[in-house]
Amino acid sequence: NAGVTQTPKFQVLKTGQSMTLQCAQDMNHEYMSWYRQDPGMGLRLIHYSVGAGITDQGEVPNGYNVSRSTTEDFPLRLLSAAPSQTSVYFCASSLDISGANVLTFGAGSRLTVL
Amino acid sequence: KNQVEQSPQSLIILEGKNCTLQCNYTVSPFSNLRWYKQDTGRGPVSLTIMTFSENTKSNGRYTATLDADTKQSSLHITASQLSDSASYICVVSAKNYGQNFVFGPGTRLSVLP
Repeated sequence: NAGVTQTPKFQVLKTGQSMTLQCAQDMNHEYMSWYRQDPGMGLRLIHYSVGAGITDQGEVPNGYNVSRSTTEDFPLRLLSAAPSQTSVYFCASSLDISGANVLTFGAGSRLTVL
Repeated sequence: KNQVEQSPQSLIILEGKNCTLQCNYTVSPFSNLRWYKQDTGRGPVSLTIMTFSENTKSNGRYTATLDADTKQSSLHITASQLSDSASYICVVSAKNYGQNFVFGPGTRLSVLP
């Protein structure tokens, strides 16, 4: 039981490049989400999904796209990277969106945009 | 606006000492409050969860308290160990669809030998 797996762990991009951060969970969780963590700030929600085929925007969605074709996978796409997207990205999943269940986090992906 | 504040921002203590971290929130309607521990380079891991009716919850050397009237929580760490060095994040869940988890900025704890 691997939990939440994120790849890559580190990535350096040039401004304007695109890339996809991968996230997979093996706990059959309905709810999956992407957060970014910046120094001195709490984790901020980028996008979330409550099941396959259903996604919605969070607090800071601009510049990011997501899709949820299967229960297990929830990739985050950066369409045209900007230096402001330099951050640590965490994928998290939970049984459902209710907030009553614990969020399980991946180990994080550190992205630097030059 | 739903918000979670934590204090202090950072804390340095000697191994074996106790410490208390604070969390104030303005999240409504309140569902539950969790404390997470985040080791450097890792994702946060849940330590405790408390609902509205609970005012104390322990997990080994970690004891969390909740005062739902004043909207305050604390995390007390007893007999600190070097492995307690981490960031501790207070997370409050609301009963709203979508943004259900409101994160505090965290307290960075350093335990020195």
